[in-house]
Amino acid sequence: LAKTTQPISMDSYEGQEVNITCSHNNIATNDYITWYQQFPSQGPRFIIQGYKTKVTNEVASLFIPADRKSSTLSLPRVSLSDTAVYYCLVGPYTGRRALTFGSGTRLQVQP
Amino acid sequence: EAQVTQNPRYLITVTGKKLTVTCSQNMNHEYMSWYRQDPGLGLRQIYYSMNVEVTDKGDVPEGYKVSRKEKRNFPLILESPSPNQTSLYFCASSSGLPKDTIYFGEGSWLTVV
Repeated sequence: LAKTTQPISMDSYEGQEVNITCSHNNIATNDYITWYQQFPSQGPRFIIQGYKTKVTNEVASLFIPADRKSSTLSLPRVSLSDTAVYYCLVGPYTGRRALTFGSGTRLQVQP
Repeated sequence: EAQVTQNPRYLITVTGKKLTVTCSQNMNHEYMSWYRQDPGLGLRQIYYSMNVEVTDKGDVPEGYKVSRKEKRNFPLILESPSPNQTSLYFCASSSGLPKDTIYFGEGSWLTVV
């Protein structure tokens, strides 16, 4: 299983762009990279998913270099409501299915 | 509406008293799992199930049991709870397709005294 490494915490201010990088050196060929957001006392919720290059949706962008050994979640113009823990998850969704979340990155957005 | 429903949401129990946390999903998902979350330790997987009657251990299975008799239900059983099982528990499900998302329940706060 691909182990992930993320910064423990990050601070930002409202309106800034935030980039959170996740390292996954032993990612497998059939692994997807998925990011989740978790607010206190709530279950994580899906933000974005990608396999390679760049993916963008209405809330975030995901950048994945050619070697796929890392990925960067980009949150444009964060607001106070983006204060949460962000998890990078790498794993197959078929076959062996034990999925391991890391400790996540705690993002604190200040006014 | 796609949902993963856990019950109870909050429970205080005593050491050794068997309890079951139920989990149900309405998305016809094949894959279901249980996680516990403790301060500073992130989400740790307890057990997972790839389909009916197919279950396997996650990272921290000790002290827990699960069963998957129906596709929609995946109860977590604590046969003899101990204080170190005091935690926030999440049930999750996904379809099992190569590209998919995991849906989480709202969590169950369990305190063992």
